[in-house]
Amino acid sequence: DSGVTQTPKHLITATGQRVTLRCSPRSGDLSVYWYQQSLDQGLQFLIQYYNGEERAKGNILERFSAQQFPDLHSELNLSSLELGDSALYFCASSASPDVAGYTFGSGTRLTVV
Amino acid sequence: SQELEQSPQSLIVQEGKNLTINCTSSKTLYGLYWYKQKYGEGLIFLMMLQKGGEEKSHEKITAKLDEKKQQSSLHITASQPSHAGIYLCGAPRAGGTSYGKLTFGQGTILTVHP
Repeated sequence: DSGVTQTPKHLITATGQRVTLRCSPRSGDLSVYWYQQSLDQGLQFLIQYYNGEERAKGNILERFSAQQFPDLHSELNLSSLELGDSALYFCASSASPDVAGYTFGSGTRLTVV
Repeated sequence: SQELEQSPQSLIVQEGKNLTINCTSSKTLYGLYWYKQKYGEGLIFLMMLQKGGEEKSHEKITAKLDEKKQQSSLHITASQPSHAGIYLCGAPRAGGTSYGKLTFGQGTILTVHP
């Protein structure tokens, strides 16, 4: 157990639907990162939050949004899902917002059918 | 083309053999991170290299950073089946407000036969 908890582990949903992925960072970590891993694109940075504020944004689609709550857990919302959104979505956390030796969660595998 | 190119893409070795994985950047490196991933699982942080010429070791894994060549290498001595997995290098990029976000290479799949 890495200390970063992601739920659910697996998710199967239909095109056009909306889902929410949840992440609880390791105790004491203020920074949360979301990454998407797919066979064709590899591991891609989506977005980073630090202590509740958005810190950096990657190639995150407009259909995707995220937030970090006062208790530091984070949620990634994916809407109007397409087949191409099927991927592994990872959350990672770190104490510092500028040092990337993070701890990764085990991921949420999203399948869009 | 990828910002970070890893070579080889896959590697099959016999237990006990040494091996090297390379990661070459097309842009200036401001540090380099190595992670290991078991298939379908989360990534495990291995090492962070911050300065040119820096070399770090953990158990039988050694990583080096050559800033001039914009390249890092990961060397495993006397490989074991437990070393099998996908090795990914990641680099922070200049600009923006965070050096915490990483661009990753495509990964090197390592298989170790007993």
